[in-house]
Parts: sequence; structure tokens; C-alpha cells
Amino acid sequence: AQRVTQPEKLLSVFKGAPVELKCNYSYSGSPELFWYVQYSRQRLQLLLRHISRESIKGFTADLNKGETSFHLKKPFAQEEDSAMYYCALREGAQKLVFGQGTRLTINP
Amino acid sequence: EPEVTQTPSHQVTQMGQEVILRCVPISNHLYFYWYRQILGQKVEFLVSFYNNEISEKSEIFDDQFSVERPDGSNFTLKIRSTKLEDSAMYFCASSGSRGYTEKLFFGSGTQLSVL
Repeated sequence: AQRVTQPEKLLSVFKGAPVELKCNYSYSGSPELFWYVQYSRQRLQLLLRHISRESIKGFTADLNKGETSFHLKKPFAQEEDSAMYYCALREGAQKLVFGQGTRLTINP
Repeated sequence: EPEVTQTPSHQVTQMGQEVILRCVPISNHLYFYWYRQILGQKVEFLVSFYNNEISEKSEIFDDQFSVERPDGSNFTLKIRSTKLEDSAMYFCASSGSRGYTEKLFFGSGTQLSVL
């Protein structure tokens, strides 16, 4: 079965410090990976997708097929980045497989 | 930005009772989904729906579950006889197409508590 692993349930960093949220996956084909974010009292929403090679809110994520990783990074954390972050893998055309999620807290 | 709407936000029911969770997807979307998240666990796929039929379902989506798009705007999830382990946050989602990079728009969820 396809799997997405986020090893850190909780991550706490200081404002202005770099952030890296880890995500590893197992997938037999060519993976399609996403990061979704859920801010406090808000709905789950797409942050970025690997195929777009985009930077959203200062976050980037590079797909590393050799390490089967899709870590989310931001060079300088801001307090408004505090949220729950989910890495997700598309399986087939219809289904997203989510990781456990990492709760990121940015300390002032 | 358009939103997926879910009602109710909280639902409490007795074990063995039927529940219907309601969702209004974004109006021009064609693909509809239900996911759920048991407290402390991962968000899990339940079912996808397109062209008035189920296109994919997970092992969780057994005979106790059904989905329907009764009137062209609502998308419902029915659990016929709820069990304690059905207690979870249920998320509806929709997307405009089936493309591999397509963005899913999620509702804010219905918290189902089975007593």
C-alpha cells in the first residue's frame, strides 16, 4: 500500500528561524505530492503541489525521488505559519493518501 | 473564493441510528469526495463520486455507507446504522476535474459523535 510518513507530530521553532517539515513516501509509480495546511478554525486547504514548482507564502517543497521525500521548507518562519500541515500523495486519479500531519508552532 | 459547505458542523447520535451528513460542493465542480479523520489519526479517503455514481471507494466504505447527489447541488453521506467507531470528523471535498494535479476544495467538516 502507498504510504506517507510525517515523522514529527509536533514542531516548534522561533519566529525568523528556518522551518523544515519532513515528509517521506512510498509509491511504486511516479508520485504526485501535495502539502495541505489547516490553520486554526479554518478548513483544510492546498498549500502547494510538487508539479507546479511553486512557492506559496514563502514555502517550497522539492521532490527527491532518490530519498523518496517531499520536505516542506521556509527560510524564515512567521507567526502566522502556525498550523497543522499534511503531506499527501495522490493514488490513482481519485484518492489522496495523507500523512499523520505535523503541528507547527511558531514562537514569538 | 467559492467554498464547499457542510452541515451540520456537529452531529451527535446514538449507536445504531442512521445519520446523513450534507455537503454543498462548489457549483461548477464535477468530482466529489468524502474523507474522514478519527481523532488523533490520519485523514482517510472514503469515496469519490462522479457522474452520479461512485468512482472509487476505500475498504472503510462498506455497506453501511452510501452517497447520493439527490438534487444537483447537495452531496450526502449516509451511515445506516452508526457504530461507536464511526465517530470522526467527516470532510466533504470537490474538484473541477480529475486531473492529477487538480486541487481539492475541502469543507470545514462535520464532527460526528456516536454515543
